[in-house]
Amino acid sequence: EADIYQTPRYLVIGTGKKITLECSQTMGHDKMYWYQQDPGMELHLIHYSYGVNSTEKGDLSSESTVSRIRTEHFPLTLESARPSHTSQYLCASSDRGLTEAFFGQGTRLTVV
Amino acid sequence: RKEVEQDPGPFNVPEGATVAFNCTYSNSASQSFFWYRQDCRKEPKLLMSVYSSGNEDGRFTAQLNRASQYISLLIRDSKLSDSATYLCVVNDSWGKLQFGAGTQVVVTP
Repeated sequence: EADIYQTPRYLVIGTGKKITLECSQTMGHDKMYWYQQDPGMELHLIHYSYGVNSTEKGDLSSESTVSRIRTEHFPLTLESARPSHTSQYLCASSDRGLTEAFFGQGTRLTVV
Repeated sequence: RKEVEQDPGPFNVPEGATVAFNCTYSNSASQSFFWYRQDCRKEPKLLMSVYSSGNEDGRFTAQLNRASQYISLLIRDSKLSDSATYLCVVNDSWGKLQFGAGTQVVVTP
């Protein structure tokens, strides 16, 4: 069982609200990722980090922002949620080098 | 062109049969390769790593062909519980994971 946790698991929120999705891992992994996935569709990388104070945008443009102040923590923030942000957000981490990634259980976000 | 391409399927497979499918990658500098399994509305989970010499894990066999830049997954004696989407994953030269869109497998009784 991977030691990577996401909270909340489910979130329903109104348009215009600011939200932060939490992701924490206890494996000491350097690399962390955020993916967005709509039901039945492919994963899209929206942010990644190679370590503390390192963040990069992924392949899919996103209005969200991330921070990496501590190795174990990689939160994602939406300043003003919109219905188009409704999706599942999956966090993952991997060790340095060319190793596999471990995923959290995801946050299912609905913006109404 | 996507970095990792997969046939989306679905592959409809009778229980007990064998199914195989490929994934192609575009970056010849890619260093490591994996197959993940994703069930409906769940997170992806590592199925197996893919080694240069090919490797087996029970009913699952993975192969890597560097010359033609593809990896394959073969499932023998398919079970109903094998129904899932199988994701091909490639580590690029920067160590960033690239996911394919997935191949859906449906095992029928």
